[in-house]
Amino acid sequence: ETGVTQTPRHLVMGMTNKKSLKCEQHLGHNAMYWYKQSAKKPLELMFVYNFKEQTENNSVPSRFSPECPNSSHLFLHLHTLQPEDSALYLCASSPSGVARDTQYFGPGTRLTVL
Amino acid sequence: EDQVTQSPEALRLQEGESSSLNCSYTVSGLRGLFWYRQDPGKGPEFLFTLYSAGEEKEKERLKATLTKKESFLHITAPKPEDSATYLCAVQAGSGNQFYFGTGTSLTVIP
Repeated sequence: ETGVTQTPRHLVMGMTNKKSLKCEQHLGHNAMYWYKQSAKKPLELMFVYNFKEQTENNSVPSRFSPECPNSSHLFLHLHTLQPEDSALYLCASSPSGVARDTQYFGPGTRLTVL
Repeated sequence: EDQVTQSPEALRLQEGESSSLNCSYTVSGLRGLFWYRQDPGKGPEFLFTLYSAGEEKEKERLKATLTKKESFLHITAPKPEDSATYLCAVQAGSGNQFYFGTGTSLTVIP
């Protein structure tokens, strides 16, 4: 595996389900990010982890819970989601999480909440 | 408020018809401007980073330029495989947060 991988690629869940999204980066980077991409909207940054420590939480509802056990893995735990949470969820990584760092993205998980 | 605006929203070109995409920004303390290409159902693919006004980068049929207020992505003699959404993002201030535009959807017709 190379680059940034995400699983699953597609997920359909009910509003009462609990599921998790997984992201793994094989680039030796130290910063990881979760973004939400909705139609006709800019990518929305959700969470940032730098050296496993959460450094950004952009007012994301508590029904989204991130976890970063090490610099290579990032999870997004989902529970009691709403239909408006349906979107493409993108994971990204960058070398050091500082300014001027280039972010590299995974293929995304297409989430549908029924 | 920091803002990134891309235009046009959509662009249709004949194969070989050159054009430019625009990304204008109003941020304080620009640290970098990034161009990405995104194909349907996939994540953004990194193309270029520009750090200062006057800088230019090229890759195959693509050329990115940067001024103090905007960036252009010039596409020379495009091919159908250049069809994609092109995203612009800026990084400003002391943090590492990206501010993305909504993208330009490019369709190149054979």
